[in-house]
Amino acid sequence: EVQLVESGGVVVQPGGSLRLSCAASGFNFDECAMHWVRQAPGKGLEWVSFISLDGVRTNYADSVKGRFTISRDNSKKSLYLQISSLRAEDSALYYCTKDRGSRGSNYLDHWGQGTLVTVSS
Amino acid sequence: SYVLTQPPSVSVAPRQTARITCGGYIIGSKSVHWYQQKPGQAPVLVVHDDYDRPSGIPERFSGSNSGNTATLTISRVEAGDEADYYCHVWDPTSDQPVFGGGTKLTVL
Repeated sequence: EVQLVESGGVVVQPGGSLRLSCAASGFNFDECAMHWVRQAPGKGLEWVSFISLDGVRTNYADSVKGRFTISRDNSKKSLYLQISSLRAEDSALYYCTKDRGSRGSNYLDHWGQGTLVTVSS
Repeated sequence: SYVLTQPPSVSVAPRQTARITCGGYIIGSKSVHWYQQKPGQAPVLVVHDDYDRPSGIPERFSGSNSGNTATLTISRVEAGDEADYYCHVWDPTSDQPVFGGGTKLTVL
């Protein structure tokens, strides 16, 4: 059974930093691209970032470019999102999602339950 | 950047057919995927590559895609189908996935 378990969500002050983690199991992690997708309270889904199976290719939504960094450790079957210079509009539930393919351009066939980031002073 | 447009809401009576649209420029040339999100839960893939269903998704869920509109069709709607539905495509120009704004399906 595929499982994606996110962690690291906290309440943080504007301008602060944090790292989100996603522990994967039940599939060949090193064969799949991975994404972070977020959802602000009462809002729709917003794609944040993806990383290819080998970590070579990454991309970011314009709203987070330069502030967020996605990475992965295939030996630990883990996905990460380093977030800095946090803004109020970054407050959201962050989902770790599995891409059906290796490059990040396919459908998202499994989602975690999300980890909540709240930016507040 | 590529934009996907969904109606904010669709209402349908039980056992009727619901159609949720996703508009985009020549979207018929892209593969469209659909996700269902019930309150308090993570999204679940219900249709991928225009009309394919993952295992475990009822046959009542189907998809089509042509021209500038993709459609998710839910036949014989049940109360349990009440949820938000999102369409998703890959935009090769920006090298990014794109989500529609979501449609809230209400079962009357």
